[in-house]
Parts: sequence; structure tokens; C-alpha cells
Amino acid sequence: GAGVSQSPSNKVTEKGKDVELRCDPISGHTALYWYRQSLGQGLEFLIYFQGNSAPDKSGLPSDRFSAERTGGSVSTLTIQRTQQEDSAVYLCASTVGAGDTDTQYFGPGTRLTVL
Amino acid sequence: AQSVTQPDIHITVSEGASLELRCNYSYGATPYLFWYVQSPGQGLQLLLKYFSGDTLVQGIKGFEAEFKRSQSSFNLRKPSVHWSDAAEYFCAVGSSGGSYIPTFGRGTSLIVHP
Repeated sequence: GAGVSQSPSNKVTEKGKDVELRCDPISGHTALYWYRQSLGQGLEFLIYFQGNSAPDKSGLPSDRFSAERTGGSVSTLTIQRTQQEDSAVYLCASTVGAGDTDTQYFGPGTRLTVL
Repeated sequence: AQSVTQPDIHITVSEGASLELRCNYSYGATPYLFWYVQSPGQGLQLLLKYFSGDTLVQGIKGFEAEFKRSQSSFNLRKPSVHWSDAAEYFCAVGSSGGSYIPTFGRGTSLIVHP
């Protein structure tokens, strides 16, 4: 069956440009997470969507970062005025429900390089 | 606040040798614990998880982990490592208080020598 997909797989951009990263979760999964994985670091939580509830944005590192989830499915993470420190792999994950025991299903990630 | 520590950044083992990856957590109540594996260029895949009951949990690919409350540990083990096990391994603790946001450790990179 279809898993979590992310696009693009790689993105190279110039400092100061805006980028959009896309995540297609598993159909029927109600929760969606975005994480950032920098070289040698663990997963840094960015934002969490659950159903129609207001998203938990507590992990967004600055106001240059935003995300939306349309129709409870596809999500887009936008980074405005990119900086070199934004270079990382951005991972998306979805879960079937909102329970803290739920398995997270991850996409392959988008590798962002800011020159 | 919950936290997860994976004290080993890198672990090198020979193929066929046994493996133990360490994970320590800090959590106020009974934790929900996970181990994920990330192969190069891939997302994370769940190996196993612990919620309650038997403290020895079996997972996929021949892995197991044991929850030890007294030591706040959830170490991952495998009796005989295969070259294909070379990957990054992440321990995670489930959230509480309804926030549903897990905390991940920094990961342990497993290198397997032939």
C-alpha cells in the first residue's frame, strides 16, 4: 500500500529564497508531524496537525517557518527567506490517530540545501 | 519535561556479533517507548514499541528491547548482527498530557564490519 510520500526529494535553493515542501500522508491518518533532521542531530519537532484542531506550532524555530494542512490530508511546509542554517532533511510522519501510543509512519524526507 | 539519551553516537560491530544499543529516558509516568531504524536516504521505520505488560518486547528483523524501570532504560538488542543492519537507530519516548508529540534521541549509528 501507499506510504507517506514527500516532494521534492532534494531541493537546492539560494539564501533568501522561499521554499515549499510537500507531504502526502497515508490515507485515513488523522495526525501529521513535521520534523527537521540536521547532520548528526536527532529529530527536531516542528509542527503537529490533528484532525480539525488548531496545529501545535510550538517547535517552529522562527516566524519564517509555517505549515498548513489542506482538507485534513496534504501538508505543505513553507520556509521564507531561507538561511544556510535551514539546510537539513525535513521529515514528515503520519499516525492513524492522536494517541501517544501510535506508530509514526515516516516519509523519505526532503533534503534542503541552502547555498 | 521528557527526554531521551542515546549515549553512543557510533557503534561498530562485526557481522554475526551480538548488539546492544543503549537508551535512557526521563519521564514522569509510565513511558511509551519506541525504537526506530533509518536506513540511508530513507525515513524512519518502527522496530518495536513498549506500552505496558511484558518488559521484553520483540520487534521486526530479529530485534528485541527490554524495559527496565529501575534503570530508566530501554536498550535494543540483537543476538547476531547482519550487514544489512547498518543504519541509524533512534529511541523515542511517547508524550503525555495530551500533546502527542514524541521526543527522539539523537540516534546511534551502527557500523557493521564483514
